[in-house]
Amino acid sequence: EIVLTQSPGTLSLSPGERATLSCRASQIVTSSYLAWYQQKPGQAPRLLISAASSRATGIPDRFSGSGSGTDFTLTISRLEPEDFAVYYCQQYGSSPYTFGQGTNLEIK
Amino acid sequence: EVQLVESGGGLVQPGGSLRLSCAASGFTSSNYWMHWVRQAPGKGLVWVSRIKSYVSTISYADSVKGRFTISRDDAKNTLYLQMNSLRVEDTAVYYCARFDWPYGYDIWGQGTMVTVSS
Repeated sequence: EIVLTQSPGTLSLSPGERATLSCRASQIVTSSYLAWYQQKPGQAPRLLISAASSRATGIPDRFSGSGSGTDFTLTISRLEPEDFAVYYCQQYGSSPYTFGQGTNLEIK
Repeated sequence: EVQLVESGGGLVQPGGSLRLSCAASGFTSSNYWMHWVRQAPGKGLVWVSRIKSYVSTISYADSVKGRFTISRDDAKNTLYLQMNSLRVEDTAVYYCARFDWPYGYDIWGQGTMVTVSS
């Protein structure tokens, strides 16, 4: 099973700043099948990025994903108030699909 | 509107059973892998089970294998999760989700809470 480790656990930033979230895999993620999700309290997760770098439908271009192999990054170029949430990475190149433990992006 | 609506959660004693349902609308669920993902209170997301359509391929997380059964009724466009021998550690919000290969979970239900407690 591929273990995904996200860092930092909590990221405190202000609106307008740039956020960089990391996801490291214990093994190579096949075909860069790595997705990012955003989850707000009391809501279901929302798909942001698939295949490491492809934005999902309707996702603003301030969200971008990069990486390959075992190291992946989600970048939010300029934080908006609605971006403060928990972010999860997930690999789906190998079964079982696994999630990282999450990064809590909070307002500073 | 494309959506998933779960039902069937509740409070059950350890060793008990529950059946969760997930009704799909706005799309034909048999064309997709359908999954269950759970989230314990204050914790992260954990994949539970998946089912494919036309070849009925099924898999489970080790933690639920032998206790949970996933199934689908394509005529009703509905996904199910039969949960037996429930344990306290199965307490979680259970989400059904559509997996649109190779993009990821693009549609999620609102979740249904399962509480296992005496």
